[in-house]
Amino acid sequence: DQQVKQNSPSLSVQEGRISILNCDYTNSMFDYFLWYKKYPAEGPTFLISISSIKDKNEDGRFTVFLNKSAKHLSLHIVPSQPGDSAVYFCAASVYNQGGKLIFGQGTELSVKP
Amino acid sequence: DAGVIQSPRHEVTEMGQEVTLRCKPISGHNSLFWYRQTMMRGLELLIYFNNNVPIDDSGMPEDRFSAKMPNASFSTLKIQPSEPRDSAVYFCASSSPLRDTQYFGPGTRLTVL
Repeated sequence: DQQVKQNSPSLSVQEGRISILNCDYTNSMFDYFLWYKKYPAEGPTFLISISSIKDKNEDGRFTVFLNKSAKHLSLHIVPSQPGDSAVYFCAASVYNQGGKLIFGQGTELSVKP
Repeated sequence: DAGVIQSPRHEVTEMGQEVTLRCKPISGHNSLFWYRQTMMRGLELLIYFNNNVPIDDSGMPEDRFSAKMPNASFSTLKIQPSEPRDSAVYFCASSSPLRDTQYFGPGTRLTVL
């Protein structure tokens, strides 16, 4: 039972355009959501997070949107740069559960010059 | 801070041999997580510790796998005996008591021949 799903295994975007990565979840108890970026031969790197009390969080070119009623979150990257090419994982957790994260399968983003 | 440190970065061994992977979490973090990444199963949680105590080992594939955390600054993941299907990248991550954001090490790429 996959509680966190990223249905697009890959996404290709032109440099300068917007990249939108999507993530769906099934467990309504999740109250904290994160996005990680992973380059080949490196560990995942924390990118941005959002608490369930918010519906939007911005950090520079990165914005995460949370739609609790739809159990959906998305990561927007504007403008996209070739250095953003990586695998992006969304993850979710339930507060006070020891910090355990449930990860999606990842979406490979390719930003073409 | 040096971040999460893992050793070795690469390990090649023969089937039947014992393998020990090591992790040093970020100082001050009280939770430590071991993950395995494969093409088939993505990023899967094997086991995690809070304050050096194993909390959830339901992801450990079988009795050949064991993990210890003798103190707050060191953990090991041992596979004995190793099998070719154990070939994967193993990540260690740690998080602080204040939030669920996990910080990952660079991973150990294990190849069992």
